[in-house]
Amino acid sequence: EPEVTQTPSHQVTQMGQEVILRCVPISNHLYFYWYRQILGQKVEFLVSFYNNEISEKSEIFDDQFSVERPDGSNFTLKIRSTKLEDSAMYFCASSEVRDRPYEQYFGPGTRLTVT
Amino acid sequence: GQNIDQPTEMTATEGAIVQINCTYQTSGFNGLFWYQQHAGEAPTFLSYNVLDGLEEKGRFSSFLSRSKGYSYLLLKELQMKDSASYLCAVLPSNTGKLIFGQGTTLQVKP
Repeated sequence: EPEVTQTPSHQVTQMGQEVILRCVPISNHLYFYWYRQILGQKVEFLVSFYNNEISEKSEIFDDQFSVERPDGSNFTLKIRSTKLEDSAMYFCASSEVRDRPYEQYFGPGTRLTVT
Repeated sequence: GQNIDQPTEMTATEGAIVQINCTYQTSGFNGLFWYQQHAGEAPTFLSYNVLDGLEEKGRFSSFLSRSKGYSYLLLKELQMKDSASYLCAVLPSNTGKLIFGQGTTLQVKP
């Protein structure tokens, strides 16, 4: 069964450093998402991406965040200058279609620890 | 605003049946999803309801009442491996972003 993959599984970085989280969505999917989950809290939407541009973003997704699809397979989330409060599990998801409510398939997540 | 409520924790016995409730208030509605999440892992899709009624899939069933803004997930013949968090998530209209509830942590005891 096709699956979303994410690398690395765990990233430790110092406050103020830039990090790039990588995702490979399911190959025939067209919509891509990033969610995050701070330990013990609910999963929160960050951003959705379609046709090489951001479709929606939440208030969490400020100027420190950016997303990119640098080639035909990867989808990346960059945090320009990490803060302690960015420590969380980051999940990438992809779906085939947005307007018909197909389920979004989640990757295994990247645990980001900012020290 | 958008709000999804579910109980924080539940405990049940192996072999029993448990029902996890979810109520929601969202701007429009385009489907309700249930996900299972084991500690430290990604949410995995369990079920999807967009019309009123019951959807059954093996040991798991999910019910939706759109007029009441209410859903439940029913787990039958509980197994120890069903110990996990169960996330209720709604897809509002005109958006692709899922709105998640806090999740219900289910502990299955022998």
